[in-house]
Amino acid sequence: SQTIHQWPATLVQPVGSPLSLECTVEGTSNPNLYWYRQAAGRGLQLLFYSVGIGQISSEVPQNLSASRPQDRQFILSSKKLLLSDSGFYLCACTLGGYTFGSGTRLTVV
Amino acid sequence: QKEVEQDPGPLSVPEGAIVSLNCTYSNSAFQYFMWYRQYSRKGPELLMYTYSSGNKEDGRFTAQVDKSSKYISLFIRDSQPSDSATYLCALIYFGSQGNLIFGKGTKLSVKP
Repeated sequence: SQTIHQWPATLVQPVGSPLSLECTVEGTSNPNLYWYRQAAGRGLQLLFYSVGIGQISSEVPQNLSASRPQDRQFILSSKKLLLSDSGFYLCACTLGGYTFGSGTRLTVV
Repeated sequence: QKEVEQDPGPLSVPEGAIVSLNCTYSNSAFQYFMWYRQYSRKGPELLMYTYSSGNKEDGRFTAQVDKSSKYISLFIRDSQPSDSATYLCALIYFGSQGNLIFGKGTKLSVKP
Protein backbone atom coordinates (compact mmCIF):
# COMPACT_ATOMS: atom_id res chain seq x y z
CA SER A 1 0.00 0.00 0.00
CA GLN A 2 1.03 3.59 -0.53
CA THR A 3 2.42 5.70 2.30
CA ILE A 4 2.79 9.45 2.08
CA HIS A 5 5.15 11.39 4.29
CA GLN A 6 4.53 15.08 4.63
CA TRP A 7 6.38 17.60 6.76
CA PRO A 8 6.35 19.72 8.73
CA ALA A 9 3.01 19.18 10.46
CA THR A 10 2.66 22.82 11.45
CA LEU A 11 4.42 25.94 10.32
CA VAL A 12 4.18 29.61 11.26
CA GLN A 13 5.89 31.94 8.83
CA PRO A 14 6.02 35.73 8.50
CA VAL A 15 4.66 37.48 5.44
CA GLY A 16 7.29 37.75 2.74
CA SER A 17 9.29 34.73 3.86
CA PRO A 18 9.94 31.73 1.58
CA LEU A 19 8.20 28.37 1.87
CA SER A 20 9.16 24.80 1.12
CA LEU A 21 6.87 21.87 1.91
CA GLU A 22 7.99 18.39 1.05
CA CYS A 23 6.07 15.25 0.29
CA THR A 24 7.54 11.80 -0.32
CA VAL A 25 5.76 8.61 -1.29
CA GLU A 26 6.57 4.98 -0.50
CA GLY A 27 5.17 1.78 -1.85
CA THR A 28 4.59 2.78 -5.43
CA SER A 29 6.45 4.03 -8.47
CA ASN A 30 5.50 6.60 -11.10
CA PRO A 31 2.49 7.84 -9.14
CA ASN A 32 0.39 10.88 -9.93
CA LEU A 33 1.05 13.43 -7.20
CA TYR A 34 -1.14 16.31 -6.06
CA TRP A 35 -1.01 19.34 -3.82
CA TYR A 36 -4.30 20.50 -2.32
CA ARG A 37 -5.09 23.38 -0.05
CA GLN A 38 -7.94 23.30 2.41
CA ALA A 39 -9.16 26.63 3.74
CA ALA A 40 -11.94 27.02 6.27
CA GLY A 41 -15.32 27.06 4.56
CA ARG A 42 -13.85 26.54 1.11
CA GLY A 43 -13.22 22.83 0.91
CA LEU A 44 -10.27 21.21 -0.83
CA GLN A 45 -8.74 23.12 -3.72
CA LEU A 46 -6.38 21.44 -6.15
CA LEU A 47 -3.23 23.52 -6.58
CA PHE A 48 -0.84 21.37 -8.64
CA TYR A 49 -0.59 17.90 -10.02
CA SER A 50 2.23 15.94 -11.57
CA VAL A 51 2.17 12.82 -13.73
CA GLY A 52 5.96 12.41 -13.80
CA ILE A 53 9.37 13.85 -12.95
CA GLY A 54 9.58 17.49 -13.98
CA GLN A 55 5.95 17.54 -15.17
CA ILE A 56 3.85 20.04 -13.25
CA SER A 57 0.37 21.30 -14.03
CA SER A 58 -1.08 24.26 -12.21
CA GLU A 59 -4.78 24.45 -11.59
CA VAL A 60 -5.00 27.99 -10.24
CA PRO A 61 -2.77 31.07 -10.65
CA GLN A 62 -1.19 31.97 -7.33
CA ASN A 63 1.85 32.78 -5.32
CA LEU A 64 2.97 29.16 -5.16
CA SER A 65 4.97 26.79 -7.32
CA ALA A 66 5.62 23.06 -7.33
CA SER A 67 8.45 20.84 -8.41
CA ARG A 68 9.02 17.12 -8.76
CA PRO A 69 12.74 16.47 -8.72
CA GLN A 70 12.38 12.71 -8.16
CA ASP A 71 9.72 10.15 -8.95
CA ARG A 72 8.40 10.00 -5.41
CA GLN A 73 9.13 13.51 -4.22
CA PHE A 74 6.85 16.51 -4.62
CA ILE A 75 7.71 19.97 -3.30
CA LEU A 76 5.51 23.02 -2.83
CA SER A 77 7.30 26.36 -2.69
CA SER A 78 6.86 30.06 -2.48
CA LYS A 79 9.39 32.85 -2.75
CA LYS A 80 7.34 35.31 -0.69
CA LEU A 81 4.39 34.23 1.40
CA LEU A 82 1.17 36.21 1.59
CA LEU A 83 -1.38 36.22 4.39
CA SER A 84 -3.80 34.53 2.01
CA ASP A 85 -1.45 31.54 1.71
CA SER A 86 -2.48 30.37 5.17
CA GLY A 87 -4.26 27.05 5.15
CA PHE A 88 -3.98 23.31 5.46
CA TYR A 89 -1.83 21.85 2.68
CA LEU A 90 -2.28 18.24 1.69
CA CYS A 91 -0.22 16.06 -0.58
CA ALA A 92 -1.98 13.18 -2.31
CA CYS A 93 -0.92 10.26 -4.43
CA THR A 94 -2.84 7.99 -6.76
CA LEU A 95 -1.93 4.77 -8.48
CA GLY A 96 -4.87 2.45 -8.20
CA GLY A 97 -5.99 4.23 -5.04
CA TYR A 98 -6.11 7.79 -3.78
CA THR A 99 -4.19 8.50 -0.57
CA PHE A 100 -3.62 11.72 1.33
CA GLY A 101 -0.75 12.70 3.57
CA SER A 102 -1.29 13.99 7.09
CA GLY A 103 -1.09 17.63 6.00
CA THR A 104 0.81 20.78 6.94
CA ARG A 105 -1.01 23.56 8.71
CA LEU A 106 0.55 26.82 7.55
CA THR A 107 -0.13 30.10 9.29
CA VAL A 108 1.28 33.22 7.71
CA VAL A 109 1.56 36.08 10.19
CA GLN B 1 -23.58 26.44 -10.31
CA LYS B 2 -20.76 24.69 -8.48
CA GLU B 3 -19.76 21.26 -9.77
CA VAL B 4 -20.39 19.58 -6.41
CA GLU B 5 -22.74 20.78 -3.69
CA GLN B 6 -22.60 19.46 -0.15
CA ASP B 7 -24.40 20.78 2.91
CA PRO B 8 -21.67 21.80 5.38
CA GLY B 9 -23.83 21.15 8.43
CA PRO B 10 -22.97 20.90 11.23
CA LEU B 11 -25.00 17.77 11.79
CA SER B 12 -25.48 16.53 15.35
CA VAL B 13 -27.04 13.15 16.09
CA PRO B 14 -27.32 10.85 19.16
CA GLU B 15 -25.25 7.71 19.34
CA GLY B 16 -26.90 4.83 17.50
CA ALA B 17 -28.72 7.03 15.00
CA ILE B 18 -28.68 6.48 11.24
CA VAL B 19 -26.82 9.28 9.51
CA SER B 20 -27.47 10.39 5.95
CA LEU B 21 -24.91 12.54 4.16
CA ASN B 22 -25.50 13.79 0.64
CA CYS B 23 -23.95 15.51 -2.35
CA THR B 24 -25.36 16.67 -5.64
CA TYR B 25 -23.38 17.28 -8.79
CA SER B 26 -23.98 18.95 -12.10
CA ASN B 27 -21.60 17.27 -14.57
CA SER B 28 -22.86 13.96 -15.91
CA ALA B 29 -19.29 13.10 -16.98
CA PHE B 30 -18.39 12.18 -13.40
CA GLN B 31 -17.81 8.44 -13.25
CA TYR B 32 -16.22 7.66 -9.90
CA PHE B 33 -17.65 8.66 -6.58
CA MET B 34 -15.82 8.61 -3.29
CA TRP B 35 -16.45 9.39 0.35
CA TYR B 36 -13.67 10.56 2.63
CA ARG B 37 -13.63 10.98 6.37
CA GLN B 38 -11.44 13.70 7.86
CA TYR B 39 -10.73 14.06 11.55
CA SER B 40 -9.71 17.44 12.85
CA ARG B 41 -6.20 18.45 11.76
CA LYS B 42 -5.71 15.21 9.84
CA GLY B 43 -5.63 14.31 6.16
CA PRO B 44 -8.75 12.81 4.57
CA GLU B 45 -8.99 9.02 4.55
CA LEU B 46 -10.89 7.11 1.92
CA LEU B 47 -14.00 5.38 3.24
CA MET B 48 -15.69 4.09 0.12
CA TYR B 49 -15.74 4.49 -3.62
CA THR B 50 -18.07 3.37 -6.34
CA TYR B 51 -18.49 3.89 -10.04
CA SER B 52 -21.99 2.73 -10.74
CA SER B 53 -25.49 3.60 -9.71
CA GLY B 54 -26.82 1.60 -6.81
CA ASN B 55 -25.67 0.74 -3.33
CA LYS B 56 -22.34 -0.42 -1.97
CA GLU B 57 -22.07 -1.60 1.60
CA ASP B 58 -19.06 -1.87 3.89
CA GLY B 59 -19.83 -2.66 7.50
CA ARG B 60 -21.89 0.18 8.96
CA PHE B 61 -21.38 2.33 5.86
CA THR B 62 -23.46 2.32 2.68
CA ALA B 63 -22.67 4.46 -0.36
CA GLN B 64 -25.50 5.13 -2.76
CA VAL B 65 -25.27 6.67 -6.22
CA ASP B 66 -28.14 7.84 -8.40
CA LYS B 67 -26.64 8.99 -11.68
CA SER B 68 -30.00 9.92 -13.18
CA SER B 69 -30.56 12.43 -10.38
CA LYS B 70 -26.86 13.29 -9.99
CA TYR B 71 -27.15 12.53 -6.31
CA ILE B 72 -24.86 10.56 -4.02
CA SER B 73 -25.32 9.56 -0.40
CA LEU B 74 -23.43 8.00 2.46
CA PHE B 75 -25.38 6.27 5.20
CA ILE B 76 -23.89 5.41 8.56
CA ARG B 77 -25.78 2.89 10.67
CA ASP B 78 -25.47 2.62 14.45
CA SER B 79 -23.41 5.80 14.55
CA GLN B 80 -20.68 6.05 17.17
CA PRO B 81 -18.93 9.02 18.79
CA SER B 82 -15.82 7.93 16.90
CA ASP B 83 -17.68 8.72 13.67
CA SER B 84 -17.56 12.40 14.59
CA ALA B 85 -15.60 13.98 11.75
CA THR B 86 -16.02 15.89 8.53
CA TYR B 87 -17.22 13.81 5.61
CA LEU B 88 -16.30 14.84 2.09
CA CYS B 89 -17.66 13.55 -1.16
CA ALA B 90 -15.27 13.49 -4.11
CA LEU B 91 -15.86 12.84 -7.77
CA ILE B 92 -13.66 12.07 -10.78
CA TYR B 93 -14.38 11.99 -14.48
CA PHE B 94 -12.39 10.17 -17.12
CA GLY B 95 -9.60 12.16 -18.65
CA SER B 96 -9.15 14.40 -15.65
CA GLN B 97 -5.71 13.00 -14.73
CA GLY B 98 -7.32 11.64 -11.61
CA ASN B 99 -8.08 15.10 -10.25
CA LEU B 100 -10.73 14.85 -7.60
CA ILE B 101 -13.50 17.42 -7.31
CA PHE B 102 -14.50 17.72 -3.67
CA GLY B 103 -17.58 18.84 -1.90
CA LYS B 104 -16.98 21.25 0.96
CA GLY B 105 -17.61 18.56 3.55
CA THR B 106 -20.27 17.97 6.19
CA LYS B 107 -19.23 18.17 9.82
CA LEU B 108 -20.83 15.37 11.84
CA SER B 109 -21.01 15.15 15.61
CA VAL B 110 -22.29 11.97 17.27
CA LYS B 111 -23.26 12.58 20.89
CA PRO B 112 -22.89 9.73 23.42
